[in-house]
Amino acid sequence: DVKVTQSSRYLVKRTGEKVFLECVQDMDHENMFWYRQDPGLGLRLIYFSYDVKMKEKGDIPEGYSVSREKKERFSLILESASTNQTSMYLCASRNEIIGEQFFGPGTRLTVL
Amino acid sequence: GQQLNQSPQSMFIQEGEDVSMNCTSSSIFNTWLWYKQDPGEGPVLLIALYKAGELTSNGRLTAQFGITRKDSFLNISASIPSDVGIYFCAGQGPDGGATNKLIFGTGTLLAVQP
Repeated sequence: DVKVTQSSRYLVKRTGEKVFLECVQDMDHENMFWYRQDPGLGLRLIYFSYDVKMKEKGDIPEGYSVSREKKERFSLILESASTNQTSMYLCASRNEIIGEQFFGPGTRLTVL
Repeated sequence: GQQLNQSPQSMFIQEGEDVSMNCTSSSIFNTWLWYKQDPGEGPVLLIALYKAGELTSNGRLTAQFGITRKDSFLNISASIPSDVGIYFCAGQGPDGGATNKLIFGTGTLLAVQP
């Protein structure tokens, strides 16, 4: 059974803190993605990676960075968390050949 | 970013009824995916479509890849209360290329009255 896991389901941080969101997939996929999901705005792509150490900006990269040191792990970093980064964060991985994309369970981040 | 047109936005139905929803795009797609998302959870992949005209079933769910490659339909037969959730379509166009980015629909909220 394919699996994408995220390090936390719920996270509460203070403004200005550095936040790490971890994502691990066990499907040997090349492509991995970070989205945020907000009511009325749908899924918005923050960053993606199509190979180890490769990264590309998505539609809303400002305030975020990513790291992909190993194929199975893709990390999202909020260098200095702000209240407008309160959101549901979803990680996904995709089989480049078959085209199926699988999501993790999500991390609900609240920045106070 | 771009979003696909998905309709209806919401549906409130009785248990046992059939449901139909669709997505349309202004550009052609090579892949259509349908997801269901429960509250507070990540989207779960239901069906994947790869060829124009393709009709694929997964239990009570049936999805079709439109002949024009610009639309897709999802049907749910004999709905049950656990079908409640938000259903998303997603597509990848020919220009997705090496980036493999998906474009997502706006979602259909389904409520099922027991």
